[in-house]
Amino acid sequence: EAGVTQFPSHSVIEKGQTVTLRCDPISGHDNLYWYRRVMGKEIKFLLHFVKESKQDESGMPNNRFLAERTGGTYSTLKVQPAELEDSGVYFCASSHAGTTLGIQYFGAGTRLSVL
Amino acid sequence: AQKITQTQPGMFVQEKEAVTLDCTYDTSDPSYGLFWYKQPSSGEMIFLIYQGSYDQQNATEGRYSLNFQKARKSANLVISASQLGDSAMYFCAMREGTTGGFKTIFGAGTRLFVKA
Repeated sequence: EAGVTQFPSHSVIEKGQTVTLRCDPISGHDNLYWYRRVMGKEIKFLLHFVKESKQDESGMPNNRFLAERTGGTYSTLKVQPAELEDSGVYFCASSHAGTTLGIQYFGAGTRLSVL
Repeated sequence: AQKITQTQPGMFVQEKEAVTLDCTYDTSDPSYGLFWYKQPSSGEMIFLIYQGSYDQQNATEGRYSLNFQKARKSANLVISASQLGDSAMYFCAMREGTTGGFKTIFGAGTRLFVKA
């Protein structure tokens, strides 16, 4: 079974540019999450999809961030325009609906560097 | 507010010895789940072990065990017989609620170095 896959693994962009990160969850997982780890700080929750619907987007930092999950399969996270403080590692995770354990399986992350 | 605290930024352990990574948590929700993840240098976050707040026994998964002390709100990870491949970053995490669709909060992590 394939795990959570994230593309690209590393992205270097200039301030003001746009970047789109992609996450392919484990097949059959209805729950999809985005997290971010800024250098030296804790991993922070960004948002949670249940299928194609946003269940909780309380962690999204501002309106420069837009997440979508059309069709309830893969998800994209767009940053437009990118700022220096957006640099960090963006993780995607997925979990199976209905489980009482809530184990989230993570991808390897996308390291975003905004120069 | 919910919070996870890992007070050890770095730990060293000799190969084949046991090591304990500390984790304390704070929540007002009586139902929660505690997790440990391992992040090797390759970057992926690997799920290691889970403990539910109502579980009576400490969780074990191979060489990993979770020392769950509910009254003290601690969930320390014990790795027995350390191996060189255990060198990695370890994150303690907590999920509130009883279903699988809740966000997880993380501690700052502990970097473990296993010496040959």
